[in-house]
Amino acid sequence: SAVISQKPSRDICQRGTSLTIQCQVDSQVTMMFWYRQQPGQSLTLIATANQGSEATYESGFVIDKFPISRPNLTFSTLTVSNLSPEDSSIYLCSVWVDTGELFFGEGSRLTVL
Amino acid sequence: ILNVEQSPQSLHVQEGDSTNFTCSFPSSNFYALHWYRWETAKSPEALFVMTLNGDEKKKGRISATLNTKEGYSYLYIKGSQPEDSATYLCARNTGNQFYFGTGTSLTVIP
Repeated sequence: SAVISQKPSRDICQRGTSLTIQCQVDSQVTMMFWYRQQPGQSLTLIATANQGSEATYESGFVIDKFPISRPNLTFSTLTVSNLSPEDSSIYLCSVWVDTGELFFGEGSRLTVL
Repeated sequence: ILNVEQSPQSLHVQEGDSTNFTCSFPSSNFYALHWYRWETAKSPEALFVMTLNGDEKKKGRISATLNTKEGYSYLYIKGSQPEDSATYLCARNTGNQFYFGTGTSLTVIP
């Protein structure tokens, strides 16, 4: 298993600003992901955070809007840039472990005014 | 079916009732089906990982079945309790990607 600490748990931000979310895992993991859940929607994969190289983004998500850092095998950050109300979502960090299970952080609930 | 679909979207049951909900998914490129329980302000909690057609898994009052040929899984809760109130998510794993449904929101009324 894996224990994931994610912060902030929630935030309210003004339009045009940025928010950085941190994800800390209690063990070294290769596969780390960032998901988003917009209201009424399914969990959608934003990107795979790769250690030592640029993140791999899914269709519809770009680095300029969602820059990701992965300095080591236990930590990652996701920044949501130039915020608009449409970015109001829950953002979740997750890791995939050898058992084939996906573990999640508690999520960061973002409201953009 | 192109996407993972869950039904119903929401459900209210009385304490003590049994209930079930459905996850439908494309049957091609199937690797595993995951069920999660997600309470507000908490991490989604893994309930089951199911891989084989005909799989049945059980954890306490919660059980799940899997039909990979027709592309569906059922989650059953026997004798629902208020603490079962949560959103139940299913996800299809193709080996290197997880595709989630929108979830079923369950409210158990005391």
